[in-house]
Amino acid sequence: KAGVTQTPRYLIKTRGQQVTLSCSPISGHRSVSWYQQTPGQGLQFLFEYFSETQRNKGNFPGRFSGRQFSNSRSEMNVSTLELGDSALYLCASSTGTSGFQETQYFGPGTRLLVL
Amino acid sequence: GESVGLHLPTLSVQEGDNSIINCAYSNSASDYFIWYKQESGKGPQFIIDIRSNMDKRQGQRVTVLLNKTVKHLSLQIAATQPGDSAVYFCAENNAGNMLTFGGGTRLMVKP
Repeated sequence: KAGVTQTPRYLIKTRGQQVTLSCSPISGHRSVSWYQQTPGQGLQFLFEYFSETQRNKGNFPGRFSGRQFSNSRSEMNVSTLELGDSALYLCASSTGTSGFQETQYFGPGTRLLVL
Repeated sequence: GESVGLHLPTLSVQEGDNSIINCAYSNSASDYFIWYKQESGKGPQFIIDIRSNMDKRQGQRVTVLLNKTVKHLSLQIAATQPGDSAVYFCAENNAGNMLTFGGGTRLMVKP
């Protein structure tokens, strides 16, 4: 079974631009979560989507948004990029059926650099 | 757990020795815990998990111990190999599928 895939793998943007990242979950998984990883803050939860609805949300500003499609693929968008948004953005998928205590499997991440 | 940023705690072990990586978690209501391994340039890889109704769980060469009284989690790796070199994260689940990660520990295996 193929793992979680994320595109693109690397991205360079300038301040003020916006960016869209994509994630395809493991086949059959319906929950997709997004995390931001930085050296200073570590791994932090952004949001979780299940059945095209945001089910949980972390403590990030409204510039960070996401969505999920009917095939469970998910995108996250960051508008008005700031230097501090430079990070590795990780997507994780799980079955989504229980809504809690589910093993999450991570993709390789998208490395975003904001100049 | 708390993030330690750039200055990750490092555990250096000799190949063949056993490794013990520790983690203090923050929320006494957390009921599910996972250990992940992250190699350079890759996403976190699931190693083993444990639910709060257990205090020990064993996998292949790995054992996770949970002490809820002191909110402590440990990962034991038997017969550590060079391929085990990575950063190890503990994560706690206390709401929905939202994971809260510890700051990580870098494991270095000396040949």
